[in-house]
Amino acid sequence: EDQVTQSPEALRLQEGESSSLNCSYTVSGLRGLFWYRQDPGKGPEFLFTLYSAGEEKEKERLKATLTKKESFLHITAPKPEDSATYLCAVPPAAGNKLTFGGGTRVLVKP
Amino acid sequence: DAGITQSPRYKITETGRQVTLMCHQTWSHSYMFWYRQDLGHGLRLIYYSAAADITDKGEVPDGYVVSRSKTENFPLTLESATRSQTSVYFCASSDSGSADTQYFGPGTRLTVL
Repeated sequence: EDQVTQSPEALRLQEGESSSLNCSYTVSGLRGLFWYRQDPGKGPEFLFTLYSAGEEKEKERLKATLTKKESFLHITAPKPEDSATYLCAVPPAAGNKLTFGGGTRVLVKP
Repeated sequence: DAGITQSPRYKITETGRQVTLMCHQTWSHSYMFWYRQDLGHGLRLIYYSAAADITDKGEVPDGYVVSRSKTENFPLTLESATRSQTSVYFCASSDSGSADTQYFGPGTRLTVL
């Protein structure tokens, strides 16, 4: 069975204090790994898709990387508006049941 | 450019009542999905649809019914609501299944009393 584990569950940062979120996955055949951002009371908002080990993608202060067993979301010099829950997800080797991790709640204090 | 919308945004109902949650997308995506999000369980797939008139069960389908007569609409019906179905429900759509980016709606918060 596919599994996705995110750590830490929660992260409190000072503005400007860079950090990384981890997403460990187990899937028989990786067809991609997705990162989403979710604000309270809203639906998940797509950030990145990574397809192969070594791939990196960036958007503003966020950078996602992928290895064969895990993905990292690096937040560089975060601002309060980066406060959100960050979710990662992987599709199965076959079929349509996307498996989500439990998320990391990030709070950036000014 | 409305994207994907859900209605109602909030719903309170009683045990045993039938409730229908609506989902509409304007992208002409082939695939549509229904998830529920609960503390301690994260996002779980209820049902999905690959095209009009084609639906399939996800991880937690019991107590739910779906239909898809038009590509743009994917309603979710709770035939006889139970308290355990109190949750936040999200609809999503994608061009070509779970390996493609899914775009989520704003959610419906359902409370079953």
